[in-house]
Amino acid sequence: NAGVTQTPKFRVLKTGQSMTLLCAQDMNHEYMYWYRQDPGMGLRLIHYSVGEGTTAKGEVPDGYNVSRLKKQNFLLGLESAAPSQTSVYFCASKRSGAEETQYFGPGTRLLVL
Amino acid sequence: GENVEQHPSTLSVQEGDSAVIKCTYSDSASNYFPWYKQELGKRPQLIIDIRSNVGEKKDQRIAVTLNKTAKHFSLHITETQPEDSAVYFCAASKGGSYIPTFGRGTSLIVHP
Repeated sequence: NAGVTQTPKFRVLKTGQSMTLLCAQDMNHEYMYWYRQDPGMGLRLIHYSVGEGTTAKGEVPDGYNVSRLKKQNFLLGLESAAPSQTSVYFCASKRSGAEETQYFGPGTRLLVL
Repeated sequence: GENVEQHPSTLSVQEGDSAVIKCTYSDSASNYFPWYKQELGKRPQLIIDIRSNVGEKKDQRIAVTLNKTAKHFSLHITETQPEDSAVYFCAASKGGSYIPTFGRGTSLIVHP
């Protein structure tokens, strides 16, 4: 099992450009999440999904969109990148149920100039 | 909603010492408390977890204790080693909620 994978690992964007981050999991997990991690800020939830075709907003959703067309994939889109979106992005997945741990992807480092 | 406070934000110890990180939570319905370790440049990974029907759990040099009355739980690392240096996150979740609530993290530095 590959677990949770993320593509790309690193990307540099110019302000105003768009991009999509891909998260894939092969554990048949129902729930998937996108977080951003900034120094001293911990993990902040951007969007999440509790099943194929469903998405919901997290703590910091502005400037991002998501889609979950297939159960194993969760896409995070930036339509018009801003320097404030420079961050490390982590995807995570878990089984349904409160007492289930999250499994994180390796992260995507994004720099917006 | 749930609120998780984690202290300290930074902890510096000498190799061989013990380290303790504490988290408090606000929602008495929370019933699952995982701890994640994140090494520099890596992903967070689960190191230990505890459920609300258990007061303490141990796994070699790490242990977690839970006080439901006071609504706090702690991570204990004994005989610390340089490879224990990392950021540690606590989290809390409950039935009916899809979203675990994370603490802000503790940077543990173990000096050789």
